[in-house]
Amino acid sequence: DVKVTQSSRYLVKRTGEKVFLECVQDMDHENMFWYRQDPGLGLRLIYFSYDVKMKEKGDIPEGYSVSREKKERFSLILESASTNQTSMYLCASRPLAGGSYEQYFGPGTRLTVT
Amino acid sequence: DAKTTQPTSMDCAEGRAANLPCNHSTISGNEYVYWYRQIHSQGPQYIIHGLKNNETNEMASLIITEDRKSSTLILPHATLRDTAVYYCIPGAYSGGGADGLTFGKGTHLIIQP
Repeated sequence: DVKVTQSSRYLVKRTGEKVFLECVQDMDHENMFWYRQDPGLGLRLIYFSYDVKMKEKGDIPEGYSVSREKKERFSLILESASTNQTSMYLCASRPLAGGSYEQYFGPGTRLTVT
Repeated sequence: DAKTTQPTSMDCAEGRAANLPCNHSTISGNEYVYWYRQIHSQGPQYIIHGLKNNETNEMASLIITEDRKSSTLILPHATLRDTAVYYCIPGAYSGGGADGLTFGKGTHLIIQP
């Protein structure tokens, strides 16, 4: 079974803290994505990566950075967390080959910034 | 990217077929129609996709109109576990790009016992 795991299901951080959200996939997929999901706004793409050390901005990259040092791991970093970054964060991956947009999602991390 | 219109919510009786419509009148020729669902407190799950022809897999069937301006996802025998938000998403594979999918607000399908 394909598997995308995220380091935490729930996380509570204080304003100004540096926050790391980790995502690991075991399918040898080239492409990985970070989304956030908020009520009434749906899923919004933050960053994506199509290869190790490669990254591209999505629709809402401000306040976030990412790191992809290994193919299986894609990290989302909040350099200085703010309350408006309280959200559900979802990681996904998909293979480069195959011509398909079938993405595999992790269970999500619900981050609360107080 | 094509825009989609889906009902905000729908009810269906357990054991009956659930038919979820989606309008995507601005879809372009190389865009597939993807369907995902998201069960409460879980990440989205891929269901099915198609380009022109109708498609069926173990989860659902996808009917795409001949003009490709709309489609219907069919869950043939809905169960309580099918209660979820269902997303219809046009998308084109860019042959090497890693573009994300654009999720709209979807349809909240509630299966009634």
